[in-house]
Amino acid sequence: AQSVTQLDSHVSVSEGTPVLLRCNYSSSYSPSLFWYVQHPNKGLQLLLKYTSAATLVKGINGFEAEFKKSETSFHLTKPSAHMSDAAEYFCVVSDRFGGYQKVTFGTGTKLQVIP
Amino acid sequence: DSGVTQTPKHLITATGQRVTLRCSPRSGDLSVYWYQQSLDQGLQFLIQYYNGEERAKGNILERFSAQQFPDLHSELNLSSLELGDSALYFCASSAGTSGADTQYFGPGTRLTVL
Repeated sequence: AQSVTQLDSHVSVSEGTPVLLRCNYSSSYSPSLFWYVQHPNKGLQLLLKYTSAATLVKGINGFEAEFKKSETSFHLTKPSAHMSDAAEYFCVVSDRFGGYQKVTFGTGTKLQVIP
Repeated sequence: DSGVTQTPKHLITATGQRVTLRCSPRSGDLSVYWYQQSLDQGLQFLIQYYNGEERAKGNILERFSAQQFPDLHSELNLSSLELGDSALYFCASSAGTSGADTQYFGPGTRLTVL
């Protein structure tokens, strides 16, 4: 079975402070993991992805995520939040089952950045 | 710009009507996915096509159907529309069917059913 859990529906941080968005996953195989960001009334944009190479993945806009197999986690972090980071973030697990790509999205975490 | 295009951007229609949403994938991508995003249901996977063939079905209602044409563009048909069908509909494309393939999302079509 494949599933993904985003542990916080809302996260609020002050500008300039670190960001931590938590994601746990479950997959029977060796999944690929993604983080997407969605700004209001916009499409989803890829932030970063893990595909069994380096466990620490760097993405755009200063975000990074660490794949921890023992903890089945793929948390998203950023050292210093910027106002433009306010958006909704989706953790995604993906794997290939029976000849097709099965993708499961988390329920999303809304990040608020306080000036 | 992801390279995925969707038309129209906005659609307003009445209950009971039928609409067609169109998606053009990124150049070279063979897989197309449709998603529905609403406030109460979040982001729901509807259906996937690969090179013209249906590959996977998610939470797609029987009133909804889709197809992918030889030029790889895709259309999502929504019929007998209900108020609850009001949502943002996204199309995404990827190169193939590998679990590692990145899905690139279009800007979405906002459907309002009155």
